[in-house]
Amino acid sequence: DAMVIQNPRYQVTQFGKPVTLSCSQTLNHNVMYWYQQKSSQAPKLLFHYYDKDFNNEADTPDNFQSRRPNTSFCFLDIRSPGLGDAAMYLCATSSARSPLHFGNGTRLTVT
Amino acid sequence: DQQVKQNSPSLSVQEGRISILNCDYTNSMFDYFLWYKKYPAEGPTFLISISSIKDKNEDGRFTVFLNKSAKHLSLHIVPSQPGDSAVYFCAASEDTSYDKVIFGPGTSLSVIP
Repeated sequence: DAMVIQNPRYQVTQFGKPVTLSCSQTLNHNVMYWYQQKSSQAPKLLFHYYDKDFNNEADTPDNFQSRRPNTSFCFLDIRSPGLGDAAMYLCATSSARSPLHFGNGTRLTVT
Repeated sequence: DQQVKQNSPSLSVQEGRISILNCDYTNSMFDYFLWYKKYPAEGPTFLISISSIKDKNEDGRFTVFLNKSAKHLSLHIVPSQPGDSAVYFCAASEDTSYDKVIFGPGTSLSVIP
């Protein structure tokens, strides 16, 4: 089954310790997204890649970075996690004229 | 500034009855609207969409209605089933390139057997 896979499902990191979340896809979609979702809030778009073109949202903190080494993989790097960065992080993909396909998310806890 | 609003955080409906989930938006440039459904511990999955050139789109038990002048859309589920219990997100984008999709905060639907 073609899908979007996020690893790990649960991640615990310490305050200020860099952490990387990963996302892979077998759908061969050219667009990949990272959303942050806090409890009972709307998923918030952090950034997306259109092929290799990186598109950062204006209000995404500099603490958040992303890498897309190839079509299949995309990474979210949080350079110095704060307590306020604890959230569910959702990766999604799409291609022209298709709705978003989401992974099951990574729940990040910051201690 | 929330561009997509879902003012009802939760909704309970009896099995077999109609569920109506509402969504309002503020950005008049939005021209494509989607509903996603999310079960606990899973990512959202696409349910149904509508473009701004239509006012209704139907897919089985699910119908989405769009009122552009009121900047309002609604999702109707008829008849509601216990398996429909989930969080429903309304989402919108400015063009059909789908590059930037803005989500509402979701409505948690409980269908009571």
